[in-house]
Amino acid sequence: GESVGLHLPTLSVQEGDNSIINCAYSNSASDYFIWYKQESGKGPQFIIDIRSNMDKRQGQRVTVLLNKTVKHLSLQIAATQPGDSAVYFCAERGPGTYKYIFGTGTRLKVLA
Amino acid sequence: GAVVSQHPSRVICKSGTSVKIECRSLDFQATTMFWYRQFPKQSLMLMATSNEGSKATYEQGVEKDKFLINHASLTLSTLTVTSAHPEDSSFYICSARGGAGGNTEAFFGQGTRLTVV
Repeated sequence: GESVGLHLPTLSVQEGDNSIINCAYSNSASDYFIWYKQESGKGPQFIIDIRSNMDKRQGQRVTVLLNKTVKHLSLQIAATQPGDSAVYFCAERGPGTYKYIFGTGTRLKVLA
Repeated sequence: GAVVSQHPSRVICKSGTSVKIECRSLDFQATTMFWYRQFPKQSLMLMATSNEGSKATYEQGVEKDKFLINHASLTLSTLTVTSAHPEDSSFYICSARGGAGGNTEAFFGQGTRLTVV
């Protein structure tokens, strides 16, 4: 289930199930998006990216969907594994800039 | 992916002293480096963007005299927290990107946990 408030939203999934992590971005003119995974005490790790002229991109076990109409990104993880447990952030880049603005993040917990 | 090395990974300093954090791109030339700050259970907040050889661009609300950024070469940027206070305790993360134009991902260092006592 999900919980919000002072803590990061948390998504709990059973091992082997598919996970869907959502992100609302802020700037309708943003033209490039990245999903990052961050494990405790470490820096963010690149997972997958997508340009604004695409609505879907697939990687190994991961798929990113982009809906520009509602400024929404999602990250789908197939056959979720315990090693997928982490905090996931989406980041957007505005046009004409190289600044990356991060979303609030979602904690993914994989239940054995 | 490319490697960005951040040093130190942890530092404890006394209130009033200054601390320098280094960010190095090990196998590529970083035309742009970014510095972020992250509080526990929160997202990364961009502090400043620096391009090699020019002054850093700070985000609104970030004190440039408090957080000194130097990007003297294409492989090294430093963040100095001057006259540190306990409220400066945080996780500081740098990222770097190379290349000019286009959509290129930013690679992150492993972060530095600063504790000011």
